[in-house]
Amino acid sequence: DTEVTQTPKHLVMGMTNKKSLKCEQHMGHRAMYWYKQKAKKPPELMFVYSYEKLSINESVPSRFSPECPNSSLLNLHLHALQPEDSALYLCASSPPPRGPDSPLHFGNGTRLTVT
Amino acid sequence: TQLLEQSPQFLSIQEGENLTVYCNSSSVFSSLQWYRQEPGEGPVLLVTVVTGGEVKKLKRLTFQFGDARKDSSLHITAAQPGDTGLYLCAGNTDKLIFGTGTRLQVFP
Repeated sequence: DTEVTQTPKHLVMGMTNKKSLKCEQHMGHRAMYWYKQKAKKPPELMFVYSYEKLSINESVPSRFSPECPNSSLLNLHLHALQPEDSALYLCASSPPPRGPDSPLHFGNGTRLTVT
Repeated sequence: TQLLEQSPQFLSIQEGENLTVYCNSSSVFSSLQWYRQEPGEGPVLLVTVVTGGEVKKLKRLTFQFGDARKDSSLHITAAQPGDTGLYLCAGNTDKLIFGTGTRLQVFP
């Protein structure tokens, strides 16, 4: 079992809906990440939070809004998504400092379908 | 843009065969990681290599980091069906850049 928990496992939403993806870890990690993975492709970085502050935004459209309420929780708020946003959304965490010995611990993802 | 190209993209082999997956870039990385991802799950770290020329072994898996720290290889000896999955290399700079992936299928 992964130590990074993502909910829900599956989500189907319409283009006018507002929904949120949740991620939780209790390993004391201070860096948390959102990745997007399309079918048969590698994960693509979306956002990085370091010590609860947004440190990297990979030019993600504003219809994706991340939030880090505390060091254990990471949310991704979704609004007015497009069908092409359908993908597996992966959350990951890593211990500080961000260096070569900092592996990413991934959750099992939320499979999102936008209709 | 830093790119990590993996080859082959797909590999379908019989149990007991050996195989090598390559990860190449024109960029230098401070370290390189290998992950395996199984269907319905997130990637799981297999190994981190840090020093140019470094070789690490994990049971039947052998990982090598190129001398110039631009490339890496993963060799699997006597592959088993449990090795089936998506293998991803990832280069470390100020963020982790994933390679294009190699999908391995091992048939019994």
